[in-house]
Amino acid sequence: GAVVSQHPSRVICKSGTSVKIECRSLDFQATTMFWYRQFPKQSLMLMATSNEGSKATYEQGVEKDKFLINHASLTLSTLTVTSAHPEDSSFYICSAPTSVGVEQYFGPGTRLTVT
Amino acid sequence: AQSVTQPDIHITVSEGASLELRCNYSYGATPYLFWYVQSPGQGLQLLLKYFSGDTLVQGIKGFEAEFKRSQSSFNLRKPSVHWSDAAEYFCAVGPRGNNNDMRFGAGTRLTVKP
Repeated sequence: GAVVSQHPSRVICKSGTSVKIECRSLDFQATTMFWYRQFPKQSLMLMATSNEGSKATYEQGVEKDKFLINHASLTLSTLTVTSAHPEDSSFYICSAPTSVGVEQYFGPGTRLTVT
Repeated sequence: AQSVTQPDIHITVSEGASLELRCNYSYGATPYLFWYVQSPGQGLQLLLKYFSGDTLVQGIKGFEAEFKRSQSSFNLRKPSVHWSDAAEYFCAVGPRGNNNDMRFGAGTRLTVKP
């Protein structure tokens, strides 16, 4: 089946720094990718839709200047958490659909800890 | 707006007992329906999905789910739970359309007693 990878799987950064998370579709092309955030013991919340070649679409309440999304190619989307703070510590998961209106394939997630 | 409700936050069952996890959705039409399982610190694994056709769908690891349109439900079942089934289970809906996102329920944490 289709595979989506994320890198890194875990990252620890200091408050005020920026961190980049990569999401790759390994054996298919994805014009759209989705970024989710999951707090401990909570569900996944959609943050934004990443669109190849155009601007990302952010969900209400998500700061676009803080969570920068770049979808530079058909197999790569990146999420950059800028000026990270401890409250940004979370589990970030990306996903990509392989066909129109069909299921999505999820990456393994990235655990971000901001100290 | 579409939404997913998982009424049970935490369920405990004995190993070998049967299991049913509830999921109700709110959507204008029949959505795509999914069940995922997540072990601690891990990503999501798809258990099963419903797009159309037979309303009883079989998934991996012995799980099945039944779509009931009249009840807007998509409950997950397993006849005999194994200790390795302890995890977090998420029901999700995805609208029929072009590459649209999915909405997740709050999740049900399953504990399995020996």
